[in-house]
Amino acid sequence: DSGVTQTPKHLITATGQRVTLRCSPRSGDLSVYWYQQSLDQGLQFLIQYYNGEERAKGNILERFSAQQFPDLHSELNLSSLELGDSALYFCASSVGGDRVSGYTFGSGTRLTVV
Amino acid sequence: AQKITQTQPGMFVQEKEAVTLDCTYDTSDPSYGLFWYKQPSSGEMIFLIYQGSYDQQNATEGRYSLNFQKARKSANLVISASQLGDSAMYFCAMRDRLSGGYNKLIFGAGTRLAVHP
Repeated sequence: DSGVTQTPKHLITATGQRVTLRCSPRSGDLSVYWYQQSLDQGLQFLIQYYNGEERAKGNILERFSAQQFPDLHSELNLSSLELGDSALYFCASSVGGDRVSGYTFGSGTRLTVV
Repeated sequence: AQKITQTQPGMFVQEKEAVTLDCTYDTSDPSYGLFWYKQPSSGEMIFLIYQGSYDQQNATEGRYSLNFQKARKSANLVISASQLGDSAMYFCAMRDRLSGGYNKLIFGAGTRLAVHP
């Protein structure tokens, strides 16, 4: 158990639908990062939150949004889903600074859009 | 822009032998960190080893060691005494510094390692 909890582990939904992925960071970590892993794009950084505030955006589509709550858990919302959104979505957490092994990943949510 | 390159899509090794997985990087930042992660077929990302740009010695963690050649901008992972359980996808990653002192990881394309009995 890495200490980063992602739910659900698997999600199957239809095109056009909306889903919410949840992440609880490791205790003490203030930063949460979301990554998308697809077969053709590899591991792509989506967005980062630090202590409730958005800090960096990567290749995140406008149909996707995220937030980090006061208890530091984060949610990634994916809407108007397309077949190409099928991927493994990872959440990672870190203390927030330059630490040696500071990025801990959850086990991922596997999203299948049918 | 920072970039990580893993040129070996797949590698195989005999059980109990050593294997080297290649990783080269490109950055203009004098302070950076390099990471290796293992992703087994179950999907989770497992941290293996870290090397900071100012570390004088190559990092080691059990059977994992990092062959860090700063001038060549390479950070190869060496796995000694391979085990069947080492069969997995291996990712090299680099800490990319963002404005405001924040960081994110950028990843290479990965190398799939198969350990044969």
